[in-house]
Amino acid sequence: GESVGLHLPTLSVQEGDNSIINCAYSNSASDYFIWYKQESGKGPQFIIDIRSNMDKRQGQRVTVLLNKTVKHLSLQIAATQPGDSAVYFCAENGASYGKLTFGQGTILTVHP
Amino acid sequence: GAGVSQTPSNKVTEKGKYVELRCDPISGHTALYWYRQSLGQGPEFLIYFQGTGAADDSGLPNDRFFAVRPEGSVSTLKIQRTERGDSAVYLCASSLTSGRNEQFFGPGTRLTVL
Repeated sequence: GESVGLHLPTLSVQEGDNSIINCAYSNSASDYFIWYKQESGKGPQFIIDIRSNMDKRQGQRVTVLLNKTVKHLSLQIAATQPGDSAVYFCAENGASYGKLTFGQGTILTVHP
Repeated sequence: GAGVSQTPSNKVTEKGKYVELRCDPISGHTALYWYRQSLGQGPEFLIYFQGTGAADDSGLPNDRFFAVRPEGSVSTLKIQRTERGDSAVYLCASSLTSGRNEQFFGPGTRLTVL
């Protein structure tokens, strides 16, 4: 889950569709994972988290799935709305107690 | 209540100058974090404090970067002899305690080194 430069993956959906954003993480020792949403000019905003003893967690319109075997996280957004348009980052907390390591980010665009 | 605040929101400086960036965490949060975000990339960890002490400063890129949190609340990130490569958005976050807790981010300070 290291950043690779300016060309972020993009996902374009229609309003009302479900969205799935994927993330591969790097540290097999990580035991806590978070999804953040970042709008232009703002800091990251917490969406949902999951601990490594779980494989699924649901929030309001969002679900996070964790597959530790292949070190993969996904964020599912139900009934996507234009206000969901943003960059989405996964983050892992494993190497150090307080340090988050962020993934590359995915640009989500929702068309009305 | 108020969220994490950062000042200034924008800072333009010349190469070689010294800058200070300030972070006011959420009241009562004992852990405070600094990250740096370059264009098109995710935030990159710099340092975090638990109380007044730096618990992990492994992300500071070199000795030009230094951060303090003398009273366990407000923190200042200090950059000496700025270089053009230091240009980025510097993000501060706080959490109730360190560890597996939600980190609340501020809006960031955009630093531009000319």
